[in-house]
Amino acid sequence: QKEVEQNSGPLSVPEGAIASLNCTYSDRVSQSFFWYRQYSGKSPELIMSIYSNGDKEDGRFTAQLNKASQYVSLLIRDSQPSDSATYLCAVANDYKLSFGAGTTVTVRA
Amino acid sequence: EAGVAQSPRYKIIEKRQSVAFWCNPISGHATLYWYQQILGQGPKLLIQFQNNGVVDDSQLPKDRFSAERLKGVDSTLKIQPAKLEDSAVYLCASSLDRPNEQYFGPGTRLTVT
Repeated sequence: QKEVEQNSGPLSVPEGAIASLNCTYSDRVSQSFFWYRQYSGKSPELIMSIYSNGDKEDGRFTAQLNKASQYVSLLIRDSQPSDSATYLCAVANDYKLSFGAGTTVTVRA
Repeated sequence: EAGVAQSPRYKIIEKRQSVAFWCNPISGHATLYWYQQILGQGPKLLIQFQNNGVVDDSQLPKDRFSAERLKGVDSTLKIQPAKLEDSAVYLCASSLDRPNEQYFGPGTRLTVT
């Protein structure tokens, strides 16, 4: 079982819609959770971090964490063409950050 | 605040040759990471430094890869000899402390022919 799994994608959404990205993790003692955005040919850019159960909102982005279900998600509201990228879920324990393979999102104008 | 710097940005070498990558982390960041990202995959941690010391190098192919971080600041990653399967983007990241929010440099795209 992979440490961090994401829905395989690609995910295509119309402009203005909500994009929903999911991530599950295997290490129950994981403490910190991150979402990175990676444009094609660029390096990952941190867009959200979440540490406790519940929702965290930042602009058009909402991260949701459920530690009991070992599940973290990212919602992108009012999707824009500039949101077209690969989104990487990353999960940390005491010292190590593990990445999922990423979900590619395409926003159709 | 300056970000993580890496050089070179691109490198093409033949198999069995050697190559070295350089990284300068964000000022004050104690933890430095080297990742390998193969096309279509997430970054894979190769080695993690906390100041001068190695925290985790369990996924570093030590027969051909080596890394050092002198004086707790800059770091170099070396591959010798390179294999075709080493073709990837090598990313350097840093954080204030482990495993806090990490910030990535632009990466070095390595092509081994």
